[in-house]
Amino acid sequence: DIQMTQSPSSLSASVGDRVTVTCRASQSISSSLNWYQQKPGKAPDLLIYAASSLQSGVPSRFSGSGSGTDFTLTISSLQPEDFATYYCQQSHTTPYTFGRGTKLEIK
Amino acid sequence: QVQLQESGPGLVKPSETLSLTCTVSGDSISRDSWSWIRQPPGKGLEWIGYISISGSTDYSPSLRSRVTISVDTSENQFSLKVTSVTAADTAVYYCARQSRSFYYDTSGYSGYFYYMDVWGKGTTVLVSS
Repeated sequence: DIQMTQSPSSLSASVGDRVTVTCRASQSISSSLNWYQQKPGKAPDLLIYAASSLQSGVPSRFSGSGSGTDFTLTISSLQPEDFATYYCQQSHTTPYTFGRGTKLEIK
Repeated sequence: QVQLQESGPGLVKPSETLSLTCTVSGDSISRDSWSWIRQPPGKGLEWIGYISISGSTDYSPSLRSRVTISVDTSENQFSLKVTSVTAADTAVYYCARQSRSFYYDTSGYSGYFYYMDVWGKGTTVLVSS
């Protein structure tokens, strides 16, 4: 199985901050990397697919980059509604695997 | 607008079979691939498996011997069965649509990127006697 390592596991930030979350795959996955946002008690929402493509309806402050084994999710200016847990997921090879998540909290 | 809704028993006894159904509205189940994902309490997401447009299935190796995903096109539903459940199968279970995006790169390679773009709200299953 391809292992996905996310860092940090948690992060405290303030509204307006620029935040970056990283995800590393245990082997090359080309650009088959997706990012999801999950709020407590809710299903995950797709933010970014194919490493850098913004899902329809997702604010432009979210962006993704990377290919191969190293990827980043960036939020350019944190908004109150962005405090949530973020997961990366590889869809290069089954079993599709998720990172353990990054919990973004208010400082 | 595409919507997915999971349904099934919220309580299953150990060693019995967990059965869930996902009802799809706003999309034909024959046009896409469909996935199941679960999340144990306080933990991360685990991919269970999917059923493709052609009806082929693929499952997580850790669950393959106990899992079946099937489609009922007449009801526009797909289902999940997990046999011989234990407390470790206690989780929120999500169904999701697996969409794909074609790519063609400058090296001449082509293929698809896959992602889960529509999710159900999730249903909690507790395995307990």
